[in-house]
Amino acid sequence: DAGITQSPRHKVTETGTPVTLRCHQTENHRYMYWYRQDPGHGLRLIHYSYGVKDTDKGEVSDGYSVSRSKTEDFLLTLESATSSQTSVYFCAISEAGRSSYEQYFGPGTRLTVT
Amino acid sequence: RKEVEQDPGPFNVPEGATVAFNCTYSNSASQSFFWYRQDCRKEPKLLMSVYSSGNEDGRFTAQLNRASQYISLLIRDSKLSDSATYLCVVNPLSGSARQLTFGSGTQLTVLP
Repeated sequence: DAGITQSPRHKVTETGTPVTLRCHQTENHRYMYWYRQDPGHGLRLIHYSYGVKDTDKGEVSDGYSVSRSKTEDFLLTLESATSSQTSVYFCAISEAGRSSYEQYFGPGTRLTVT
Repeated sequence: RKEVEQDPGPFNVPEGATVAFNCTYSNSASQSFFWYRQDCRKEPKLLMSVYSSGNEDGRFTAQLNRASQYISLLIRDSKLSDSATYLCVVNPLSGSARQLTFGSGTQLTVLP
């Protein structure tokens, strides 16, 4: 299994509070991604990173920000959590220089916003 | 139209059965195709890549039909442990490189 960890694994927070989720990898992969997964929607890309300090928006980026100050860490921040951000959040990594584009996922964070 | 469409199922099949899942994608420029497997409350895991010539990995066979923009996964001799949700995944080559688009998944339950 790819060396990807996410923290926390579970979190309950109140509407309006800031929340930061962390993804940590030991594979030295260049690309990192944050997804959310909701019933009926599948996995949707929030933000991704193609290098240290290089990030870009995905399909559902509103209300989220990211930072990547080191190759191994990719942080996802909900500036002011809303109930619509209750979801399961997955981090993924992908290696540069390969002809294929497979991604490998972390174990996920279950976030509940009350 | 969704970029990647799958029959959500559920597919309930007896052990030993052969089952096939289909998936269609909308972007004809897509270059990379995958099947992922996701167990309940777990992360998606890469099952296999899908190549133009078709490919097989043990009991699993994946095929790609570019003309029809169609991907399939065949599972032979189903095992109880095959019960999971199977995600069809496509690299649409839209926007920046290396992004993947995921189908919503097809749920499979293999019954004893």
